[in-house]
Amino acid sequence: QVQLQESGPGLVKPSQTLSLTCTVSGGSISSGGYYWSWIRQHPGKGLEWIGYIYYSGSTYYNPSLKSRVTISVDTSKNQFSLKLSSVTAADTAVYYCARERMSGYYPTYRFDYWGQGTLVTVSS
Amino acid sequence: QSALTQPRSVSGSPGQSVTISCTGTSSDVGGYNYVSWYQQHPGKAPKLMIYDVSKRPSGVPDRFSGSKSGNTASLTISGLQAEDEADYYCCSYAGSYTRFVFGTGTKVTVL
Repeated sequence: QVQLQESGPGLVKPSQTLSLTCTVSGGSISSGGYYWSWIRQHPGKGLEWIGYIYYSGSTYYNPSLKSRVTISVDTSKNQFSLKLSSVTAADTAVYYCARERMSGYYPTYRFDYWGQGTLVTVSS
Repeated sequence: QSALTQPRSVSGSPGQSVTISCTGTSSDVGGYNYVSWYQQHPGKAPKLMIYDVSKRPSGVPDRFSGSKSGNTASLTISGLQAEDEADYYCCSYAGSYTRFVFGTGTKVTVL
């Protein structure tokens, strides 16, 4: 059974960089066949896809966040990470990591496993 | 890209059916058959309930069904049960630039 677990600081000061890590267990990131995504949920609101990374390091980001987002992967630790720079209160949200299955070389556009989520508050 | 529009809440008695709508545009819901639905209980991670408009992952009860007409997708829960009380979100592929757009979310209450 695949499990994803987010970790990182729960409080970040405005203008600083938010950093989170997702640890994957029950499966290897480097085996391929999946995109690894970050998704966030503002308090009491809907979900927003942030971006994904493939085990090879290729990435794609939501255009609305692209200038501030970096997603990286560490296959030796079976982890992938999110960095969001120049944060403001509007970045306060629960951040989830999630897995998107591929079918051969093609994405399937569905998230079949999610982490429990971690609340990040941006405040001085 | 605007969020997909869902009703804020729907409710039903045990055993009844409820339907949640998810309205987008021809650039997302109407343009692709990649609509998925997620169930989220308070404080828990979202769970995939429906994908590719109407397919159910293994383990999801057949009480859950999905459909689409034009720019609107729908999730129907038949034979409503107490454990179905949760928030539900739709999600659609929105093209290679935006990639995903999620719905505003619907709270399902079992009376």
